[in-house]
Amino acid sequence: GQNIDQPTEMTATEGAIVQINCTYQTSGFNGLFWYQQHAGEAPTFLSYNVLDGLEEKGRFSSFLSRSKGYSYLLLKELQMKDSASYLCAVRDQGGATNKLIFGTGTLLAVQP
Amino acid sequence: KAGVTQTPRYLIKTRGQQVTLSCSPISGHRSVSWYQQTPGQGLQFLFEYFSETQRNKGNFPGRFSGRQFSNSRSEMNVSTLELGDSALYLCASSRSPRQANEKLFFGSGTQLSVL
Repeated sequence: GQNIDQPTEMTATEGAIVQINCTYQTSGFNGLFWYQQHAGEAPTFLSYNVLDGLEEKGRFSSFLSRSKGYSYLLLKELQMKDSASYLCAVRDQGGATNKLIFGTGTLLAVQP
Repeated sequence: KAGVTQTPRYLIKTRGQQVTLSCSPISGHRSVSWYQQTPGQGLQFLFEYFSETQRNKGNFPGRFSGRQFSNSRSEMNVSTLELGDSALYLCASSRSPRQANEKLFFGSGTQLSVL
């Protein structure tokens, strides 16, 4: 079956570093996405990984290990505005499709 | 450039009724996908349209249907509403589904409450 697991909630302190893990078991793999969603707002794209390794983009980095079915999102120098839900999603099919399988999301609370 | 626009923003219906939700993609985007978001299940894929054709469908009953128009705008319809259909319905657009790294741009969704 298709399964994506993320922690439900996490708490971190302003200025610190937090790592949000995602493990997946899907029938296929054609890329992994991270999205950020603030309460009441649209999910917004953060990162895309299809090859093993680390992708860095400013304060956010995303890592992928395809052999382990594992990814993490690393947020550095946390700010209060980073309080949001973080969604891990896998494109499990090749070919021309935008179908993504999402985890239930990790709600991150950044405290002063 | 305007983002993905979904209307209405909020909707309250009663069991047995039907509902139509609308989505206008970003200008130039021809692919539209629909997702259902609930607190327990997260985002679940409903269907995907490209060039007015349904390209993919999720595991939802036939009460859920959709279509895409020649201007890429899309609608989804839910007939014979059930309490469990209460959710946030999100629309996402992209230029096309052909690139694996094509990112989806989401609208703010329609919050449907079924009483």
